[in-house]
Amino acid sequence: EVQLVQSGTEVKQPGESLRISCKTSGYNFKTYWIAWVRQMPGKGLEWMGIIYPDDSIIKYNPSVLGHVTISVDKSISTAYLQWTSLKASDTAMYFCAKADGIRSWLDPWGQGTQVTVSS
Amino acid sequence: NFMLTQPHSVSGSPGKTITISCTRSGGSIASNYVQWYQQRPGSSPTNVIFEDTRRPSGVPDRFSGSIDSSSNSASLTISGLKTEDEADYYCQSYDSTTFWVFGGGTRLTVL
Repeated sequence: EVQLVQSGTEVKQPGESLRISCKTSGYNFKTYWIAWVRQMPGKGLEWMGIIYPDDSIIKYNPSVLGHVTISVDKSISTAYLQWTSLKASDTAMYFCAKADGIRSWLDPWGQGTQVTVSS
Repeated sequence: NFMLTQPHSVSGSPGKTITISCTRSGGSIASNYVQWYQQRPGSSPTNVIFEDTRRPSGVPDRFSGSIDSSSNSASLTISGLKTEDEADYYCQSYDSTTFWVFGGGTRLTVL
């Protein structure tokens, strides 16, 4: 069974750094894309970026480019989403999801990681 | 760049049929596949339609997808509505410049 298990809830202050994770199992991690999707409180889904683990090709949504970094650790089949300086506007639920291809659908999804940034 | 526009909300009674539209602005709806996702309250999204019309295993055949080039839109139709269908539904597509785009989401209320 394909599973994506995300790290737990985070509460941070503005300016702090953070890395959240998405540990995968049940398939060949290296040869499927992993996407990150943001959902701000009470809002819809927003694609943030997508990575191909085998060679770390990454595509970012221009709205987040330069503010977040997507990476993987192939040795532990895990993808990451990282910030060096959080803002209050980063408060959201973050989902990872597997995609067969860069034009493909997302399935399955992780359970989500809630990030709250507040002073 | 392109956008996908959905109605904010739709409603229907149990047993009835509803349709949710997803209109593409900036490019042809047929140029890239459309996917649909269901998100129940407090849960992660799940895929209910992929590649315009295909249904993942486990999704009831009450769910169907279509595209209409004349209106440049995709549609998700749910027949035989059940209370468990009450959720937010999102369309999603792609282009080589913008990459992935989600529609704004439609809240389905089963009255």
